[in-house]
Amino acid sequence: DVKVTQSSRYLVKRTGEKVFLECVQDMDHENMFWYRQDPGLGLRLIYFSYDVKMKEKGDIPEGYSVSREKKERFSLILESASTNQTSMYLCASSSLGTSGTYEQYFGPGTRLTVT
Amino acid sequence: AQTVTQSQPEMSVQEAETVTLSCTYDTSESDYYLFWYKQPPSRQMILVIRQEAYKQQNATENRFSVNFQKAAKSFSLKISDSQLGDAAMYFCAFDTSGTYKYIFGTGTRLKVLA
Repeated sequence: DVKVTQSSRYLVKRTGEKVFLECVQDMDHENMFWYRQDPGLGLRLIYFSYDVKMKEKGDIPEGYSVSREKKERFSLILESASTNQTSMYLCASSSLGTSGTYEQYFGPGTRLTVT
Repeated sequence: AQTVTQSQPEMSVQEAETVTLSCTYDTSESDYYLFWYKQPPSRQMILVIRQEAYKQQNATENRFSVNFQKAAKSFSLKISDSQLGDAAMYFCAFDTSGTYKYIFGTGTRLKVLA
């Protein structure tokens, strides 16, 4: 089974702090994603990576950066946390499957609170 | 722009009954995939069912089936014999063939009443 893990389930940080969210997958997937989940807004893509050291902006990249130094690890960085970044953060990974599409596998999520 | 719309923020169903969750999408593409994902409370999101747009036959996975109407751009999920474990947020998602980025709907919270 594909396993996607995230470094923390719950995180509380102060405004202005630098925050690192880590995601690791164990299935050698090429693609990795960071989403933000807010009530009524669904999942919004922050950044994704299709290979080591490669990244592309998603729909809401402002205030975030990412790092992918190894294939299995994808980090989301909040350079200076703000209260409007309080949210649930979901990591996912994918690879082309036998179905002909890229099925995404999700981590358990990190609920970040910025005070 | 491609969009996915789930117009039902919340639904309820009695245990053992059938419920249908709605999803519509907008795209000019002809080749794409559609998915329903389930997110139980405090648990990981998992894939429930997928549908390839080129297939006319509706996908089925045990108690879960879809009603895919390509011309109407509609992709509803039917859950038969609802169980307490079906209570979750359900997200509809769309993936244009050849890319790997999903577009998600806003979700439908399903409550199952004992």
